[in-house]
Amino acid sequence: EAQLVESGGGLVQPGGSLTLACAASGFTFSTHWMHWVRQDPERGLMWVSRIEHDGTTRYADSVKGRFTISRDNARNTLYLQMHSLRADDTALYYCVRDGDGPITLDLWGPGTMVTVSS
Amino acid sequence: DIVLTQSPVSLPVTPGEPASISCRSSQSLLHSSGYNYLEWYLQKPGQSPQLLMYLASTRASGVPDRFSGSGSGTDLTLKISRVEPEDVGVYYCMQVLQLPYTFGQGTKLEIK
Repeated sequence: EAQLVESGGGLVQPGGSLTLACAASGFTFSTHWMHWVRQDPERGLMWVSRIEHDGTTRYADSVKGRFTISRDNARNTLYLQMHSLRADDTALYYCVRDGDGPITLDLWGPGTMVTVSS
Repeated sequence: DIVLTQSPVSLPVTPGEPASISCRSSQSLLHSSGYNYLEWYLQKPGQSPQLLMYLASTRASGVPDRFSGSGSGTDLTLKISRVEPEDVGVYYCMQVLQLPYTFGQGTKLEIK
């Protein structure tokens, strides 16, 4: 069964850094684009970043220059390095698989919570 | 960025009755391919969102045929022909026409 499991969330002070990881299993990870999407009660769902199978990356403007998405196809793992964290980065972060063809977010992990607070 | 506005925000429905959710876009979602680049997701209580529809009107694998998507351009709709108790949750539309992908604010469907 295909699944995604995120890890690495936690409490961090403003200005701090955190790296999230997402372990993929049950499908051929290297052939899929992957995304990070976050959710918080105030702003709802927000697309954060995407990485294509060749490593091409895209970011939401609010995280550009602070977050870096990467992947290790040999380890079937997706990463999100987050720097200069702000209070408004507080959210549940989901790792999401991009589906085949026209389908976009077809497999979601359970999420990992990031709290930015002093 | 493309702004998606969903209505209603809250939708109480009696089981067996139909339901309809509107998603209005600030820009047309109609691609040159002829498809509308809109997806619908359902987030059941305590769960991650799950894909319901893509290309506005194509059901994802395993989605019951009581769900249907319609509309074009800036005015898209998700319909449930007969609501079941397991349909409760928050429904989101999301545009995938251009980056950044953006979501509607959600419609909470509850059973009366």
